[in-house]
Amino acid sequence: AQSVTQLDSQVPVFEEAPVELRCNYSSSVSVYLFWYVQYPNQGLQLLLKYLSGSTLVESINGFEAEFNKSQTSFHLRKPSVHISDTAEYFCAVSSGAGSYQLTFGKGTKLSVIP
Amino acid sequence: EAGVVQSPRYKIIEKKQPVAFWCNPISGHNTLYWYLQNLGQGPELLIRYENEEAVDDSQLPKDRFSAERLKGVDSTLKIQPAELGDSAVYLCASSLGSYEQFFGPGTRLTVL
Repeated sequence: AQSVTQLDSQVPVFEEAPVELRCNYSSSVSVYLFWYVQYPNQGLQLLLKYLSGSTLVESINGFEAEFNKSQTSFHLRKPSVHISDTAEYFCAVSSGAGSYQLTFGKGTKLSVIP
Repeated sequence: EAGVVQSPRYKIIEKKQPVAFWCNPISGHNTLYWYLQNLGQGPELLIRYENEEAVDDSQLPKDRFSAERLKGVDSTLKIQPAELGDSAVYLCASSLGSYEQFFGPGTRLTVL
C-alpha cells in the first residue's frame, strides 16, 4: 500500500518570499509523483510530475520539486510567490507504469499575504 | 481541447432524496474516474472505468451509490438515498493510459 503525508495543512507566506511545501510518501515499489493545485471552487490541475530521469522537475509558473528517493520526499518549492499562487496544493503518488491508482495527501493551503 | 466537463456544479438536496452527477471526459480518454473529496481532505477514488467496464469499484458504497458509463464515454454517478455525510465534492477525471489524470471542476453536493 502507498501513502502520502503532507506535513503542513496551512502555510502563510508573504508575497515575493520563498516557500516550500513538504511531501513525504511511502511505497514498496518505484513511484510516479505529482503535485496538483486546486484554486477555490475549481478542480485539480496538474502542476508538475516526476516519472523518471532528472530528479528536479519544474512547472511553467516557477514551481519546482525534487524527488529524493533516500528520504522518500517530493517537496515543492518556489523562490518568490505571488498573490495568484494562493490555492491548495496536493501531493500524489502512483505505483509507476501501468498503475492507475493515485493516492493523494490531505493538501496544503498556501496563503500569500500582500 | 475541451477539458473534463461536469454538471451540475452545485447541488443542494434534502436527505433521503436521490441525486445524480454527470461527467463528460476528454475526447479519446478511455479511462474515467470518480473521486470523492471531503472538506480538508485529498480526493479518494470511488470507481474507475476502462471504456464501459468498471474495473475498480472497491471503494464505492454499493448500498446507495451506483455508476454507469454507457458507450464508454459519458458517465453518471448516482446516490440514492442521500445522507448527511454524503456532503462533499465529487470529482470526475479522465486519462489516456495510466499516468496522468485530468480533473473536472467537480460537483459540490450539500445534503440538508
